Amino acid sequence: ILNVEQSPQSLHVQEGDSTNFTCSFPSSNFYALHWYRWETAKSPEALFVMTLNGDEKKKGRISATLNTKEGYSYLYIKGSQPEDSATYLCASSGGSYIPTFGRGTSLIVHP
Amino acid sequence: SQTIHQWPATLVQPVGSPLSLECTVEGTSNPNLYWYRQAAGRGLQLLFYSVGIGQISSEVPQNLSASRPQDRQFILSSKKLLLSDSGFYLCAWSQLARDTQYFGPGTRLTVL
Repeated sequence: ILNVEQSPQSLHVQEGDSTNFTCSFPSSNFYALHWYRWETAKSPEALFVMTLNGDEKKKGRISATLNTKEGYSYLYIKGSQPEDSATYLCASSGGSYIPTFGRGTSLIVHP
Repeated sequence: SQTIHQWPATLVQPVGSPLSLECTVEGTSNPNLYWYRQAAGRGLQLLFYSVGIGQISSEVPQNLSASRPQDRQFILSSKKLLLSDSGFYLCAWSQLARDTQYFGPGTRLTVL
């Protein structure tokens, strides 16, 4: 089983702040890295999937980067809004292909 | 387009009672299917996954079981619930094991 770590565990920011958090994963036998957004009382929704070292993906104010050689991915949110409040999950799939999820970063954006 | 259904949405059950949660997927064939649980204050834990009818892999030994009687149907069961079975249960599907997973609306289970 892969060990996928996310940091920080939780984050409080003010509206308008930019923020970022980290997902660390084993770099050996890497196949894909997924980011999901999970709002309270809803189910996780896919944000990005990245497979190549150096991949960068962007969706509105949210972007992500991938470093497969050192085993980390960053998620950035520019100009955070209260509606960005959610738990952000990453999942890495290696040799077995079944993704392993991290415990998530809980983001709370204060108006 | 593909849709995933889960029911019931909420469930309150006494300790020792049986459990059956159902998940169905529409709009795709031969999907990979998954059952996850989020216990209070904890992350997403993979319980079972299935790559085809009758093929179930268990990630965590416990008093739960899963079955896949049809291509797009995945059932989570227990003969006798424990207090520790309380949590939020999510079903998900993907076309291939490595692909993005799409989650159902979830079932909130409270065992009293």
